[in-house]
Order: sequence, then structure tokens, then C-alpha cells
Amino acid sequence: QVQLVQSGAEVKQPGASMKVSCKAAGYRFSDYGINWVRQAPGQGLEWMGWISVYSGNTNSAQKFQDRLTMTTDTTTSTAYMELRSLGSDDTAVYYCARGKRWTMSYFDYWGQGTLVTVSS
Amino acid sequence: EVVLTQSPATLSLSPGERATLSCRASQTVSDNYLAWYQQKPGQAPRLLIYTASTRATGIPDKFSGSGSGTDFTLTISGLEPEDFAVYYCHQYANPPITFGQGTRLEI
Repeated sequence: QVQLVQSGAEVKQPGASMKVSCKAAGYRFSDYGINWVRQAPGQGLEWMGWISVYSGNTNSAQKFQDRLTMTTDTTTSTAYMELRSLGSDDTAVYYCARGKRWTMSYFDYWGQGTLVTVSS
Repeated sequence: EVVLTQSPATLSLSPGERATLSCRASQTVSDNYLAWYQQKPGQAPRLLIYTASTRATGIPDKFSGSGSGTDFTLTISGLEPEDFAVYYCHQYANPPITFGQGTRLEI
């Protein structure tokens, strides 16, 4: 069955970087894209960006474009999301979610989420 | 960007009743590229509906979606205890992807 398994919780200092991994199983990794969505404590969902595993093309929300990098490793079927220059408002649960290969779409499978806490 | 406004913010109903959740877009969602998700505390969202009215794999027919253009509705019939959760709409027609703020369905 399709599974997305994310890396564990992290605590980061303000100004640092974070990198979350998302390992896919149960489907052909390159046939789909991966989206990243975050959810601050008690808040709603916020889309960060999408990467096509096949082409490497990306699209991201403007507010993250300067400090967000999304990559994939097809040899291990793993997607990565790096966010730099962290502030306290980046404290959130970060999710990866499967989408379409060529374009943005709905998200049919989600990872379990990774809590990142930014605190000094 | 397309702003999605969900109403009501909180909906209080009893088991067995029908829930009607609304999602209004600030501009036309082309091709009805509108999805609905259910999220329970401590869990990732779960896809219920995509393209406004197509149920995702394994979703029971008690969940139905309708609407087009700027007005969309999620209907849940015969509420059961496990249906009480937060529901989000999501448009993927026009970048950037956006979500509504959510409707909390409570007992």
C-alpha cells in the first residue's frame, strides 16, 4: 500500500535551517509529484510547494521562494524539504503529500507529519 | 491568489443528522479543481473528494461533494461519531494552491 514516512521531530534555533525527509513506498516514485504543506499549532493548512519527481520542476508559494528548497532522490524514493532562516513562526507540523506528476493537484496520500519547533 | 472561505466556522450537530459545509472561492475555480479533506486531532488530513464531486478511493457514499464556479458544498449524511472532525476545502486550479480555514464539525 502507498505510504509516505517522514523523519522525526526536530528542535531548531532561530536563524537555523531544517530539512525534513519523506520516504515513499508502495508506488512508482517517479510517476507522481510531492507537495509540502505545513500546519502551525491550532491553525489551518498552508501549502508550501510542489516538486515533480520525474522532471525536478518545482512550484512554490511566493512567501517561501527565497528560503525553500525541495529535492528528491529517486534511488531511495525519498523527497526532501529544506527551509532556511527559521523564525518562531515556522514552528509547525510539516507534511509531505503525494500529488500528480506534471502539475499541481489534489493530495491523495499524506505523510504522518513532522513537528518542527523553532525556539532559542 | 484564490481565497477560500468556509462556513460555518463551527457546526454543532448530533449523530444521525446531515451536515452541510460550504466553501466559497474569491474567483472561479476552473475545471472544478476543488478537493475536500477531513482531519482528526493528531492525524494527517485525509482526502475525501476531488474535482468537486468525485469520492476518493475507499470513501463511503455518505460523503458527497457538489458545486461549481465559486460555490462548493460538502454534505455528510447520517453523521457517526467518527465523522466529527475538521474539514478543509482546497483549490488546485490556480497557483498558488490554497486551503480554506476549515470547518469544525462537533457533537
